[in-house]
Amino acid sequence: EDQVTQSPEALRLQEGESSSLNCSYTVSGLRGLFWYRQDPGKGPEFLFTLYSAGEEKEKERLKATLTKKESFLHITAPKPEDSATYLCAVRTLSGSARQLTFGSGTQLTVLP
Amino acid sequence: GEEVAQTPKHLVRGEGQKAKLYCAPIKGHSYVFWYQQVLKNEFKFLISFQNENVFDETGMPKERFSAKCLPNSPCSLEIQATKLEDSAVYFCASSPNGDTQYFGPGTRLTVL
Repeated sequence: EDQVTQSPEALRLQEGESSSLNCSYTVSGLRGLFWYRQDPGKGPEFLFTLYSAGEEKEKERLKATLTKKESFLHITAPKPEDSATYLCAVRTLSGSARQLTFGSGTQLTVLP
Repeated sequence: GEEVAQTPKHLVRGEGQKAKLYCAPIKGHSYVFWYQQVLKNEFKFLISFQNENVFDETGMPKERFSAKCLPNSPCSLEIQATKLEDSAVYFCASSPNGDTQYFGPGTRLTVL
């Protein structure tokens, strides 16, 4: 069975304090790893898709990387508006080729 | 439209009543997915469509849940005879190619 584990469960940072969120996965065959941001009361907002080990994607203060067993979301010099829950999801060879399996998320709080 | 639209935003039903949720995918997207989010961040896949055809319904509790995506109409998810455990936020997502999924704002269903 495909499994996605995110750590830490919650993270508090001071504004400007860089850090990384982890997403480790055990899957039958990875077809894509997705990062989303979810604000309270809203739907997940797409951030990045990664397909193969070694791939990196960047957007503003966020950078996502992928290895054969895990992905990291690096946040450089975060601001309070980066506070949200960050979700990792995978699409795999097992079951439907299209459905996403989500991790339980990391709740990030950035203090001013 | 440019965003996935979901209606209603909130829905309250007494146990045993019917609930119907609607989703308008992004224009031009041929895949639609339904997920159920319970207990903070736990996402459960329900069903997916490619155009008006069911692509994968392995997550659907078939005895009470049904879904449709008809041409020129919003997609719908219907729950007959709701139970307390159906209380959740239901998200719809659409995708142009079945890869990256873009989520709507969700419908919060409360069963009393």
